Amino acid sequence: DQQVKQNSPSLSVQEGRISILNCDYTNSMFDYFLWYKKYPAEGPTFLISISSIKDKNEDGRFTVFLNKSAKHLSLHIVPSQPGDSAVYFCAASGRTNAGKSTFGDGTTLTVKP
Amino acid sequence: DGGITQSPKYLFRKEGQNVTLSCEQNLNHDAMYWYRQDPGQGLRLIYYSQIVNDFQKGDIAEGYSVSREKKESFPLTVTSAQKNPTAFYLCASRSRGNYYTGELFFGEGSRLTVL
Repeated sequence: DQQVKQNSPSLSVQEGRISILNCDYTNSMFDYFLWYKKYPAEGPTFLISISSIKDKNEDGRFTVFLNKSAKHLSLHIVPSQPGDSAVYFCAASGRTNAGKSTFGDGTTLTVKP
Repeated sequence: DGGITQSPKYLFRKEGQNVTLSCEQNLNHDAMYWYRQDPGQGLRLIYYSQIVNDFQKGDIAEGYSVSREKKESFPLTVTSAQKNPTAFYLCASRSRGNYYTGELFFGEGSRLTVL
């Protein structure tokens, strides 16, 4: 049973427009969520996170929204730039999870010039 | 510069051979992790270690072994018992102070191909 799901394997947007990447989770014990960005043949790098006590966290062009009742979070990138083209992973962790992070399968974002 | 170094970046192995992937960090992090990534899939946890001389199995530990003799080092051995070892392997670390809220710092990965 996959506890963190990213149902869209890919997303293509035009430069300057908004990119919205979605993530759903099933384990109600998760209370901390992170987004990572990954380029081919490289390790992921941390992008932004959100605690379950919040419903929004913003950092520059990146905003993460959390809907606890729906067990859903989304990453908004505004405006999207060609350099944002990468795979984005959603990850979740919780106090009862021994510090382990559970990852989704990733969404490949392509931003067209 | 602080970071995580994985080696080798590319590795080829014949079936039946064991191979060890190196992971070294100079971030002074207590916790270290090994993940495996297959095409189109997310990162799956193989083993993790929260402190020196202690480690726990992750979700897909069968066919793998690790050691944690030094804080800086967390090598992963892919044994011949691993039925499908061809994958991209990622080592990561995290500060103990941010045990589950802090971000993971990843190395650049090691791509293992079994011939």
